[in-house]
Amino acid sequence: GENVEQHPSTLSVQEGDSAVIKCTYSDSASNYFPWYKQELGKGPQLIIDIRSNVGEKKDQRIAVTLNKTAKHFSLHITETQPEDSAVYFCAALRNAGNMLTFGGGTRLMVKP
Amino acid sequence: DAGITQSPRYKITETGRQVTLMCHQTWSHSYMFWYRQDLGHGLRLIYYSAAADITDKGEVPDGYVVSRSKTENFPLTLESATRSQTSVYFCASSEPRASGNTIYFGEGSWLTVV
Repeated sequence: GENVEQHPSTLSVQEGDSAVIKCTYSDSASNYFPWYKQELGKGPQLIIDIRSNVGEKKDQRIAVTLNKTAKHFSLHITETQPEDSAVYFCAALRNAGNMLTFGGGTRLMVKP
Repeated sequence: DAGITQSPRYKITETGRQVTLMCHQTWSHSYMFWYRQDLGHGLRLIYYSAAADITDKGEVPDGYVVSRSKTENFPLTLESATRSQTSVYFCASSEPRASGNTIYFGEGSWLTVV
């Protein structure tokens, strides 16, 4: 089955700096890679996703890059703000079965 | 638009008791999922359902039972709760499309087994 590894497990940055979270996956058939943000006491919420036919996708301060050859993808947050503080999860999905496999999560702390 | 709702949000139960966590979605999504979230393990899939009356095991199904008699409901039952089942449980749903497979999560059910 699919295995997704996520690094780092915790990340502390100063407000205004950039944050990068990296994930690797094992199943070359995976073709959809979402990122979720989970705030304290809430369920994960989708913030950005990328499909395997695209190398990069941006949405304001958030971007995701995908390297299919190396089987890794990354989340980039620029100009971080205190409200970006949360746990972020990457995931990978194969269409067959429609099951997401999650990484272990990254706790991002943005210091004002 | 209510989306996906879980109940109860918080529950304390005793070892050996049966507990049912409810999940209801208003989007008519075909797929529904139950995940548990534990410190150090991230999100792990317990069971999922591709449609009414179709369910399948995920990564950690032991000790749990699910049913899906209606598309909008996907209850999770712990037949005889154990302390190791103390966790936060998330229900989710999705509708696969060519444009993507966005999975939407509920707000979670905090279960403590004493």
